[in-house]
Amino acid sequence: DSGVTQTPKHLITATGQRVTLRCSPRSGDLSVYWYQQSLDQGLQFLIQYYNGEERAKGNILERFSAQQFPDLHSELNLSSLELGDSALYFCASSGEGANQPQHFGDGTRLSIL
Amino acid sequence: AQSVTQPDIHITVSEGASLELRCNYSYGATPYLFWYVQSPGQGLQLLLKYFSGDTLVQGIKGFEAEFKRSQSSFNLRKPSVHWSDAAEYFCAVGADSSASKIIFGSGTRLSIRP
Repeated sequence: DSGVTQTPKHLITATGQRVTLRCSPRSGDLSVYWYQQSLDQGLQFLIQYYNGEERAKGNILERFSAQQFPDLHSELNLSSLELGDSALYFCASSGEGANQPQHFGDGTRLSIL
Repeated sequence: AQSVTQPDIHITVSEGASLELRCNYSYGATPYLFWYVQSPGQGLQLLLKYFSGDTLVQGIKGFEAEFKRSQSSFNLRKPSVHWSDAAEYFCAVGADSSASKIIFGSGTRLSIRP
């Protein structure tokens, strides 16, 4: 058990819809990261938050947004969903510094019909 | 910019055989290096990490990795694999400390032959 909790585990929705994925980091971790994993793109870094502030941005589409709340949980919002957004979405958390490993949740599997 | 290359997309080894998964990195300073494993349907689990000191690092599940600065490599090894080792393995390098961002390689899928 990594200590990172993601909900829901599975999500099935239709094109054009909007969904929210939720992540609770490990106790004490201030950084939260979001990743998208698909068969054709592999593991792609989307965005990082540190203590409520956006810290780094990766290959995140404009249709996607994220935030980190005062209690440090984070949400990833995906809107105007397309078939190609079907993927596993992972949240990870870590302490401060590049020498801190990231601890991953079990992911949310998003299926767009 | 930091980068990580895992040249082998898929490797198959026999159960009980030794294993070496390759990882090459590009980074200007002393890197922070990690190996993660992902079993089907699961998140990534940290196997081991290198920051400094002894270049041979021991991890969980009987894995080890050796940092070789001259070759910019951090290969993962196991002397005798088990069927339960079948998974996807990711090498990663720690980026600038201000961003606390980790760059992941594209992964190597390991299959075990009975």
